Amino acid sequence: QSALTQPASVSGSPGQSITISCTGTSSDVGSYNLVSWYQQHADKAPKLMISEVSKRPSGVSNRFSGSKSGNTASLTISGLQAEDEADYYCCSSTSSTTLVFGGGTKLTVL
Amino acid sequence: QLQLQESGPGLVKPSETLSLTCTVSGGSISSSTYYWGWIRQPPGKGLEWIATIYFSGSTYYNPPLKSRVTISIETSKNQFSLKMSSVTAADTAVYFCARHSCSSVNCPFDPWGQGTLVTVSS
Repeated sequence: QSALTQPASVSGSPGQSITISCTGTSSDVGSYNLVSWYQQHADKAPKLMISEVSKRPSGVSNRFSGSKSGNTASLTISGLQAEDEADYYCCSSTSSTTLVFGGGTKLTVL
Repeated sequence: QLQLQESGPGLVKPSETLSLTCTVSGGSISSSTYYWGWIRQPPGKGLEWIATIYFSGSTYYNPPLKSRVTISIETSKNQFSLKMSSVTAADTAVYFCARHSCSSVNCPFDPWGQGTLVTVSS
């Protein structure tokens, strides 16, 4: 199974909004509303930001939102802040018993 | 507050077996509510799911790794473990343990351990 496809990098200025895409296939992203997003700061463990396509765990800023259309899921960060600079990974179920991550996207806040 | 901590050798020789343990504190690994998993990240690269286990012993593996990987659980010690055989330099990575946030392998990982770097080298 191939990794989900994410852009290698995105950037934005403070206060702006950015969107990170996560493209899979009809066998993973397209079949399940089970896409999650993780934020990883340098040399830190990943942190769950979005589950089940668009659900925000308790404590996660409402500046983070998720959506899905067909085989592509998206993470949008509004009102960019310097602290948002990190790597972001999507993850999807590929069947009832397996998972696949995206290749990761480096977000730079200009 | 649930915490997970990975432990094991930081250096493994090629062709040998990598062995890691995740110790869970602040909660019971025997809870029927959660599954437990391993994820790895080669230096400078992305995340890769390795395997997941339930307290009952049910196991789930990433197909490309399945032939070399065994995940196990020891409820009496509140630990779960990973063994990966016939390692090569390509298995050099930071290995994370994590809890699935509900009772399915499809649930997201939350929280994660801090990770431990395993280097495969002679």
